[in-house]
Amino acid sequence: DSGVTQTPKHLITATGQRVTLRCSPRSGDLSVYWYQQSLDQGLQFLIQYYNGEERAKGNILERFSAQQFPDLHSELNLSSLELGDSALYFCASSVVGRNTDTQYFGPGTRLTVL
Amino acid sequence: DAKTTQPTSMDCAEGRAANLPCNHSTISGNEYVYWYRQIHSQGPQYIIHGLKNNETNEMASLIITEDRKSSTLILPHATLRDTAVYYCIVRSNFGNEKLTFGTGTRLTIIP
Repeated sequence: DSGVTQTPKHLITATGQRVTLRCSPRSGDLSVYWYQQSLDQGLQFLIQYYNGEERAKGNILERFSAQQFPDLHSELNLSSLELGDSALYFCASSVVGRNTDTQYFGPGTRLTVL
Repeated sequence: DAKTTQPTSMDCAEGRAANLPCNHSTISGNEYVYWYRQIHSQGPQYIIHGLKNNETNEMASLIITEDRKSSTLILPHATLRDTAVYYCIVRSNFGNEKLTFGTGTRLTIIP
């Protein structure tokens, strides 16, 4: 158990819909990262937040957005869903967000878009 | 971040040492070598990391060659629960803190 929690575990929805994935980092960790793992793209970095502020962006679509709240939990919002958004979404956290900080991953949310 | 090359798959007998190689010939002096693994579709699990010295923890040992162009992750006594995809990641100590995952090595432990 990494200490990072993600809800829900599974999510099934229809194209065009909007969903919110939630992540609670390990106690004391200030930085949160979101990654997407699809069958054809592998594990890809989406976005990072540090202490409530966006720090880095990766291959995140404009239909996707995220935020980190004062209690440090983070939410990833996916809208206008398409079939290709079906994937595993992982959240990771680290203490500060320096490159030498180890990232610990949550169990993931499996999103299925029908 | 430097690119890494790993074998696509490997088998290892249960109870034996599993040695997973990684080539990172373009690594620069400020880049660390990290190893993660992913068991089935679970979240990636941190194993170990190092800069230039060999490292050991309760899970594994990391051997980095003197020129740092390659490394080997060693699982000393592999068990069936070590069956997973193992990712070798080179990560700079400045700039974007993201992890860049390749395709990894699928390690299968044979009973």
